[in-house]
Amino acid sequence: EVQLVESGGGLVKPGGSLRLSCAASGFTFSSYSMNWVRQAPGKGLEWVSSISSSSSYIYYADSVKGRFTISRDNAKNSLYLQMNSLRAEDTAVYYCARVNVVVFYGMDVWGQGTTVTVSS
Amino acid sequence: DIQMTQSPSTLSASVGDRVTITCRASQSISSWLAWYQQKPGKAPKLLIYKASSLESGVPSRFSGSGSGTEFTLTISSLQPDDFATYYCQQYNSYLWTFGQGTKVEIK
Repeated sequence: EVQLVESGGGLVKPGGSLRLSCAASGFTFSSYSMNWVRQAPGKGLEWVSSISSSSSYIYYADSVKGRFTISRDNAKNSLYLQMNSLRAEDTAVYYCARVNVVVFYGMDVWGQGTTVTVSS
Repeated sequence: DIQMTQSPSTLSASVGDRVTITCRASQSISSWLAWYQQKPGKAPKLLIYKASSLESGVPSRFSGSGSGTEFTLTISSLQPDDFATYYCQQYNSYLWTFGQGTKVEIK
């Protein structure tokens, strides 16, 4: 079964750090670009960051540039998001998602999400 | 940056209704558009890619159309399982942007 499972969310104070992980299974992880997408409570979806299959290309939304770092370990079939200098507005459910060129760079597999709450 | 605007924000409809949701891009995106369905507490699900291609396993009552800057998602006959929020999403050079969402509610 193709699956993505996020972990690492939790409660953190403003200015703090958190590292999210996403474990992939059921497909050749090293062949796909991966995204992080977040959703603030009661709000819409926001793309956060993208990493290509070999980590050659990395992109960030302006809202997180300079604070968040995406990375991956293809040997461990894992995706990561290091979040530093966290703000209240970073509070959201964070999803990892597979980018599939077959579906025109749509995101065809999603994890269940992990919740990040930034509050004092 | 390319902005995506969906309308309406909320739509009230009955089972069996034909439903249309519109998504407009701030500049031409050719056919680099996808549609997702999201239910409360769940991850989004890909419905349509390349503006009009149906993702595998998605019921044929869902269809997409459009190119350039104007796109539509149509549900030909609304089913109880279709009450959800729908998002359009554009892709351009490793940047993705979502519309603000359209909630389809029971009338």
